[in-house]
Amino acid sequence: GNSVTQMEGPVTLSEEAFLTINCTYTATGYPSLFWYVQYPGEGLQLLLKATKADDKGSNKGFEATYRKETTSFHLEKGSVQVSDSAVYFCALISGGTSYGKLTFGQGTILTVHP
Amino acid sequence: GAVVSQHPSRVICKSGTSVKIECRSLDFQATTMFWYRQFPKQSLMLMATSNEGSKATYEQGVEKDKFLINHASLTLSTLTVTSAHPEDSSFYICSANRESDFGYTFGSGTRLTVV
Repeated sequence: GNSVTQMEGPVTLSEEAFLTINCTYTATGYPSLFWYVQYPGEGLQLLLKATKADDKGSNKGFEATYRKETTSFHLEKGSVQVSDSAVYFCALISGGTSYGKLTFGQGTILTVHP
Repeated sequence: GAVVSQHPSRVICKSGTSVKIECRSLDFQATTMFWYRQFPKQSLMLMATSNEGSKATYEQGVEKDKFLINHASLTLSTLTVTSAHPEDSSFYICSANRESDFGYTFGSGTRLTVV
């Protein structure tokens, strides 16, 4: 079956530090990959996505590249801000479609200090 | 862009009562909506898939009679927690898919507390 594994958190950084949150997956076919962000007390917001190998998703300074050879979709940001503090979820939909069930990783808590 | 409205954002109810949570797609039609449950500091657990005009599809281990799902229109799905108990206290989130985009739009979630 499908699965998503994220690096364990929590991750604590100082403002302007470099961020990497690792994500690897197991899926049948060619999945679509996503990063979602959840701010305290809120639902999830789509941060970025990639639908085929070597695609790079980017948004708000965050980037992630779909690496089929390593089955990874690591999230990176060059300089984090306090406002980036949130929970980040890596997720996939198998089969490269826009519908179907989302499979989530366990989430990584990010805290950024001034 | 796609917006999903979930209401209420917070609800406190007494044990034994029922609570209804609404999920609306505001600017698109959603033939399929999903209901998730999230425990503190944990990931989202898919509870059921809500299909417009037909019965919901529940994930293994989710009680159909306790978590009633109705998807009466292309823009509204409801989750009713029946005979709620303290162990039902959780954060419930809905999502909907607009097939012109990849990925899903999520509601802002409902914090249910059963006392």
